[in-house]
Amino acid sequence: DAKTTQPNSMESNEEEPVHLPCNHSTISGTDYIHWYRQLPSQGPEYVIHGLTSNVNNRMASLAIAEDRKSSTLILHRATLRDAAVYYCILRDVDTDKLIFGTGTRLQVFP
Amino acid sequence: GAVVSQHPSWVICKSGTSVKIECRSLDFQATTMFWYRQFPKQSLMLMATSNEGSKATYEQGVEKDKFLINHASLTLSTLTVTSAHPEDSSFYICSARGLTPNEQFFGPGTRLTVL
Repeated sequence: DAKTTQPNSMESNEEEPVHLPCNHSTISGTDYIHWYRQLPSQGPEYVIHGLTSNVNNRMASLAIAEDRKSSTLILHRATLRDAAVYYCILRDVDTDKLIFGTGTRLQVFP
Repeated sequence: GAVVSQHPSWVICKSGTSVKIECRSLDFQATTMFWYRQFPKQSLMLMATSNEGSKATYEQGVEKDKFLINHASLTLSTLTVTSAHPEDSSFYICSARGLTPNEQFFGPGTRLTVL
């Protein structure tokens, strides 16, 4: 079962920052938080992952709450190409499986 | 990032035939590969986990005799949909795990349409 909760959809204007929230109140101490995104008719694309500390890469930033029960994916300047479904996933360290939830569909307007 | 390919990208077949889908890790060795399927407007559903040289582990509710998985080498896993029926029409996606568990790369998907 997916162990994360995300809003079904969000909207943004181009070049504005986007904050995509994710709740994972049942996270265990060893679960990693992964974010993937999926464009229409494509396989998921890795965005970022973290365990406890905030993380930055060229695509996005990941802010993890101190109690780890929630996290936020931050796109600093949304572009039209960022329109996709964003999945927040907890990776089970025992099985290494990525179990996808329903994700957040992000629309970006010019 | 690492590249995972799938072949074919799409296939149309008649009901009752079998279809094989290949998943390759192009620039890394993948000891573990995963197979997912995705119905329209739904999320990805994990079907099975395959480890090189051993039998695949199927998720609950996935018929192992219907969806045959072979992981014969560190760069190739195949999914065969046997005796396909229209309800098997879906988007099938594989993923391959790299050197560390946090590295998991997805293929572009294969769209199967069964007439």
